[in-house]
Parts: sequence; structure tokens; C-alpha cells
Amino acid sequence: GDSVTQMEGPVTLSEEAFLTINCTYTATGYPSLFWYVQYPGEGLQLLLKATKADDKGSNKGFEATYRKETTSFHLEKGSVQVSDSAVYFCALPEQTGANNLFFGTGTRLTVIP
Amino acid sequence: DAGITQSPRHKVTETGTPVTLRCHQTENHRYMYWYRQDPGHGLRLIHYSYGVKDTDKGEVSDGYSVSRSKTEDFLLTLESATSSQTSVYFCAISESKGNQYFGPGTRLLVL
Repeated sequence: GDSVTQMEGPVTLSEEAFLTINCTYTATGYPSLFWYVQYPGEGLQLLLKATKADDKGSNKGFEATYRKETTSFHLEKGSVQVSDSAVYFCALPEQTGANNLFFGTGTRLTVIP
Repeated sequence: DAGITQSPRHKVTETGTPVTLRCHQTENHRYMYWYRQDPGHGLRLIHYSYGVKDTDKGEVSDGYSVSRSKTEDFLLTLESATSSQTSVYFCAISESKGNQYFGPGTRLLVL
């Protein structure tokens, strides 16, 4: 069945470091792919998305490119800030409708000054 | 921000008691979801709704029931709470594929 696998955390970086959080997927066809972010004490919110192969989603300095050759959708940011400390979830839609999403297990990022 | 609220925000209860969590939206979105979030498991779908009185089970539905009598309200009931149901519960709403808007969460402790 469809699923996403993302890198285990936690990840700790110094401010201004480069961030990569890996996400790979298993799916039939070419579904849309999403990254959600959860800040401390809050619910998840959509960070960015890509709707087809080779698309690049971007938001708040984060980017992710939909690569069908490697079935990946890795999240990157060139220079992280303390305010980026959060849990990041990769997700893809269920094929059966109802707009359900499969979420990865989440990767906790801590950025230290 | 999407208009979605959850109540209560925190609850402590005892094993064997019934518990109902409420999700309320003001966005008139068709789809509503209940998730639980636990360390090491990420987010897991409990139940979802695709319209008034239309609900279906998710990945971890055992021990939970839901009801949706109005577009804006989606209730999650634990008929007889157990310690394994201690978790953070999130409600979400959606109108378009992939875009889900989450509530602030309910932290439930079952003693």
C-alpha cells in the first residue's frame, strides 16, 4: 500500500546551518506530496506541496522537489533559524478518496543559537 | 487561520469512564478527521467524516466512535477510556485534496 518514510530524528542544528530532512514514498501513480510542520503546542499546518513530478514546492525558505526517479521529496532549507524548531511531517494522499493523508512519523528539528 | 476549535483542551479522566471530545469548524468544510498523536507513531487516523452522518473508520478506530449530526461539529467518543488512549487528539478539516487544517489539539490523560 501507499506509504511515506522519513528520516528518524531528532535533528539538532546550529543557527544558519543547512537542513535536509529525507522523505521517500511508495505509491501507485504520481500523487501530490506534502510537508506539514508542527510548532510546539500547536496542530499541524501545511508548509508546502508539489502536485506533480519535478515540481518544486517552497514556502518560508523551505523547498522540496518531487523526484519520481528516486521516489523522494526531501525537505531543505539553506539557513535555519531558531524559530524553525518544530516537528516536520511528510505526507501523501490516500488513493481511496475522502482527502485522507498518510503521514510519516515526523522528524523533530531543534535549532540552537 | 482556519476556524477550527477543539474542546476541552485538556482532560484527565479515570479508566472506564466515557469521554467525548468536540471539534467545531466555521469553514463549512466537507471532510473532518480525528487523529491521535503518540511518540514514535506520528499521526494516526482514528475516524473521518465525509459529510453529515457519513463517517468511516481509520487506522486505529477500536475503542472509539464518532458522530456528525451537523456540518460544523464532529464528536469523538471513548465509550470506556483505557490508559492506552492517553494521547494528544487532533481534529482536522479539509475541502481540497491534501490540504488539511488542524485544530490546536486535546491532551487526554487516562489514569
